This record gives sequence, C-alpha cells and structure tokens, in this order.
Amino acid sequence: EAGVAQSPRYKIIEKRQSVAFWCNPISGHATLYWYQQILGQGPKLLIQFQNNGVVDDSQLPKDRFSAERLKGVDSTLKIQPAKLEDSAVYLCASSSSGAQQFFGPGTRLTVL
Amino acid sequence: AQSVAQPEDQVNVAEGNPLTVKCTYSVSGNPYLFWYVQYPNRGLQFLLKYITGDNLVKGSYGFEAEFNKSQTSFHLKKPSALVSDSALYFCAVRDIWDDKIIFGKGTRLHILP
Repeated sequence: EAGVAQSPRYKIIEKRQSVAFWCNPISGHATLYWYQQILGQGPKLLIQFQNNGVVDDSQLPKDRFSAERLKGVDSTLKIQPAKLEDSAVYLCASSSSGAQQFFGPGTRLTVL
Repeated sequence: AQSVAQPEDQVNVAEGNPLTVKCTYSVSGNPYLFWYVQYPNRGLQFLLKYITGDNLVKGSYGFEAEFNKSQTSFHLKKPSALVSDSALYFCAVRDIWDDKIIFGKGTRLHILP
C-alpha cells in the first residue's frame, strides 16, 4: 500500500513569510496527525484530526498556525507569519485504529 | 498525563555486541508502547509495539523490547548490533483511553565497526 505522502520535502523562507505543507494519508485512515520535530527533540503533536473534525489542537499555536482537513482525506498545515523558532521538521502521520501511526517523510522548514 | 523518558542521549555499541536503548514511561491507565527509528532525512519508521499479551515483543530488523510493568520500562534490545542500526530511536507511549501518543526525546544509537 502507498505510504503517507508529504510535500514539499524542503522549504526555506524568511521570517514573517507564510508557508503551507500538504499531507495525503494512507487510503482509508480516518485519523491524521501533524507533528513538529525540532532538532534534537522528539516529535510534538500539533493537531489531530478524526475524519474532518479536530480531536486535539491543544499544542497548536493558533495565533500563527492553522490546519484543515476539509474532505476528511488530505490535509494542509499553514504558518502565517513564520518565526525563526518555527524551523523544524513537520511530520504527518495517519492511523486507522489509533494503535499504530504511519509517518510520512516530513517537510524540513528553515526560517531565516 | 502520560510521559516517556529516554535517559540516554547517545548509546555507543561495538558491532556484534548486544545493544539496549532504555525507555521508561508514565501513564494513568494501561499503556500502549512503541519504538520508532529515524534515519537521516527520513520520517519515523515503526519498529515494534506492545499492546497486550507477552511481555517480550519482537519487531523489525531483529529488534525486540521487554515490557516491565513493575519498573514501567520498555527497553529496546538487539542481540547483535549492526553498523546499519546506527540511527535515532524514539520510544512512545499512549494511554489506552487516549488517542494521543507522546514521544521521548530520542536516543542516538552509534554502532562502531
């Protein structure tokens, strides 16, 4: 089966610019997750969707980050405006039962 | 709230020797436990999980982990290390009543040829 797809793989922007990441989960997976992984740290959950509804966005900096999953399939994560501390790898994952998550390759964001 | 600790930032092991990467956890209920591996510029790859049943769990690439409820540990082990095992390893925990998975900070495993 095809894995979780993410694009772009790399993005370099200047602070105060905006950026968007895209994720296409494994077909049939109802749950989709966005994680932020800062260098030297483990992934931190930003937002979790169940179909097209938000289950948990408690760690999403809502003043600058937004995410949507309008049709319950693919999802976009946006940052506007970006800050230097947003430099990280953004990982998307999906699961069907919730017990195991499958991860995409990630998008490496560098904010200058 | 659940938490997971990986006390070692880096573990160095000679090729052919057994390896152990440590993980302890804290959850309010019964845990689901996971190990993931991350190679450079790659996403996380699933290694193994403990849900219920036998405390010794076998996973991909010859890795195994032992669930110890009394010590709240889930250490990752392999009898004979390979240079290709060098990577970043993450332990993760989930409470069975909560869909959120919490990751440790990771342990870098360096296998010396």
